[in-house]
Amino acid sequence: NAGVTQTPKFRILKIGQSMTLQCTQDMNHNSMYWYRQDPGMGLRLIYYSASEGTTDKGEVPNGYNVSRSTTEDFPLRLELAAPSQTSVYFCASSYRAGENSPLHFGNGTRLTVT
Amino acid sequence: TQLLEQSPQFLSIQEGENLTVYCNSSSVFSSLQWYRQEPGEGPVLLVTVVTGGEVKKLKRLTFQFGDARKDSSLHITAAQPGDTGLYLCAGHAGNNRKLIWGLGTSLAVNP
Repeated sequence: NAGVTQTPKFRILKIGQSMTLQCTQDMNHNSMYWYRQDPGMGLRLIYYSASEGTTDKGEVPNGYNVSRSTTEDFPLRLELAAPSQTSVYFCASSYRAGENSPLHFGNGTRLTVT
Repeated sequence: TQLLEQSPQFLSIQEGENLTVYCNSSSVFSSLQWYRQEPGEGPVLLVTVVTGGEVKKLKRLTFQFGDARKDSSLHITAAQPGDTGLYLCAGHAGNNRKLIWGLGTSLAVNP
């Protein structure tokens, strides 16, 4: 069981560069999420998708874009990388959005912007 | 506004000791989830509690949801080095579909 797979595991970007963080899940979950985790700030929701074809902003969406064209994939795009985007990024999925539907996380992408 | 307060923030203990960590709020939660995150990995669900006063056991881990559904605790008996990690609580307050996260308790169990 692969679960939620994130690539790459590590990446260093220069300011102004762009990149896409990939996330795929094989559990046929309807909902997918992108979080960033920073010391002292905890997990903060960037974007989520309740179902294929829909996306919604979370707490900290600025500087990021997402798309959900398939059930399995939920890529996160950084267009103009900034040092403030240095973080560990986690993708997660759940059967549906809301209660009693726990999140399954990938193992994260550690991004450094210099 | 941090709706879920976790304490202590850090805890370092010796193997074999018992410990309790807390997840508190002034809001009523319809359910609370506990996750453990090991270094370099994503959080993994341990348990979900949904009923006020509910107690769930997972081997040496005991989870309790407060009667008023505003707080929860995690008690570990005879801690092992494998229990080391970041313990996170998360929950849905009222009818809010978005999951609210605590900042976590970082536990180190020394052999």
